[in-house]
Amino acid sequence: DADVTQTPRNRITKTGKRIMLECSQTKGHDRMYWYRQDPGLGLRLIYYSFDVKDINKGEISDGYSVSRQAQAKFSLSLESAIPNQTALYFCATSVGPYGYTFGSGTRLTVV
Amino acid sequence: AQSVTQLDSQVPVFEEAPVELRCNYSSSVSVYLFWYVQYPNQGLQLLLKYLSGSTLVKGINGFEAEFNKSQTSFHLRKPSVHISDTAEYFCAVSEANAGGTSYGKLTFGQGTILTVHP
Repeated sequence: DADVTQTPRNRITKTGKRIMLECSQTKGHDRMYWYRQDPGLGLRLIYYSFDVKDINKGEISDGYSVSRQAQAKFSLSLESAIPNQTALYFCATSVGPYGYTFGSGTRLTVV
Repeated sequence: AQSVTQLDSQVPVFEEAPVELRCNYSSSVSVYLFWYVQYPNQGLQLLLKYLSGSTLVKGINGFEAEFNKSQTSFHLRKPSVHISDTAEYFCAVSEANAGGTSYGKLTFGQGTILTVHP
């Protein structure tokens, strides 16, 4: 099994729908992150969590929310999806300021 | 705040030619530096990282990078590329000072698409 597992791998949803992307890890890392990747923009940080009780906004958090259900689980929600949220989403974990492990990504399309 | 600029969005080269992918960063504090590779339809894989010590860092698949503090650069090089090196490459930085607002958060550049032609 992968160290960082993202589900679903691909999702097509309609504008206005609520959708949740899930991330689970077996690394035992305290720190978890959600990034989105857009062509020509690289990866941008949406939210991050340094432990179960710590949730922080990243640079592009508007329109997103997260939940850290346990050390190993970090979910990203789009409350009302819009087309410009179409992107590739990555979950990552780390044990400190380096040593990141990335999931395989979730490709989300909002139509 | 920190930022990363990858100076070339696309780099086409021929097989067995050398390549350099350029990366400049901006930060008011000490940083850790990284290069990641993303092959088509795959996730991110760490190529190499600079944490401290020697400024020349060797990574996987024959890649290396040199940290230049005075020029705030961390360029990636390979002396002879292969078709299989075709991918997108990302430079990233994280703050090295514990307690800083960006400590532990990776900031990425825009990416450079390397295309190796036969």
